[in-house]
Amino acid sequence: DAGITQSPRHKVTETGTPVTLRCHQTENHRYMYWYRQDPGHGLRLIHYSYGVKDTDKGEVSDGYSVSRSKTEDFLLTLESATSSQTSVYFCAIRASYEQYFGPGTRLTVT
Amino acid sequence: GDSVTQMEGPVTLSEEAFLTINCTYTATGYPSLFWYVQYPGEGLQLLLKATKADDKGSNKGFEATYRKETTSFHLEKGSVQVSDSAVYFCALSGEGRGGKLIFGQGTELSVKP
Repeated sequence: DAGITQSPRHKVTETGTPVTLRCHQTENHRYMYWYRQDPGHGLRLIHYSYGVKDTDKGEVSDGYSVSRSKTEDFLLTLESATSSQTSVYFCAIRASYEQYFGPGTRLTVT
Repeated sequence: GDSVTQMEGPVTLSEEAFLTINCTYTATGYPSLFWYVQYPGEGLQLLLKATKADDKGSNKGFEATYRKETTSFHLEKGSVQVSDSAVYFCALSGEGRGGKLIFGQGTELSVKP
């Protein structure tokens, strides 16, 4: 257990509304990541962070923003949710060059 | 860019059968390679890893060998159990900074008693 929690675990929202997902870690790891999981695509990187206020884009960053104001929290925001953002979102941390994943957030955009 | 290709599933086996899940990769440099497992309704768990050519990762009876000459990292287990039913993901650490992972599409394994 790498001490990673995600909230909420499930969310249903309407198209066009903003949504923020939270990832919280308890072990002070420098690197944190947001991935989305979709059938046939495995997991794809959205954004990652390499320190407080230091973030960078991943493979599928369009429509998403992130923020990291504290080491322990990494927020993913969908500014205006679309149906194509219906997915399962996983947060991860890096420890000893390995990544450990949170339990996921299932987001449905109707 | 870097990529990972896994054999398509679902794979259905009887208990105690031999398992192979194929994984091949394309990458620049010398990536580390990983297998993750996802049980229903859960997040991904690191199963095993290998960091250089000819390394063998192993855990819980699963094994995979980093073959640079064939750019492969096939997952094997000699005798599967019903409890091994899950989705298995092959991944590599991508080029550039940040330790980003590139995943294959996942292979679903179902083991029948």
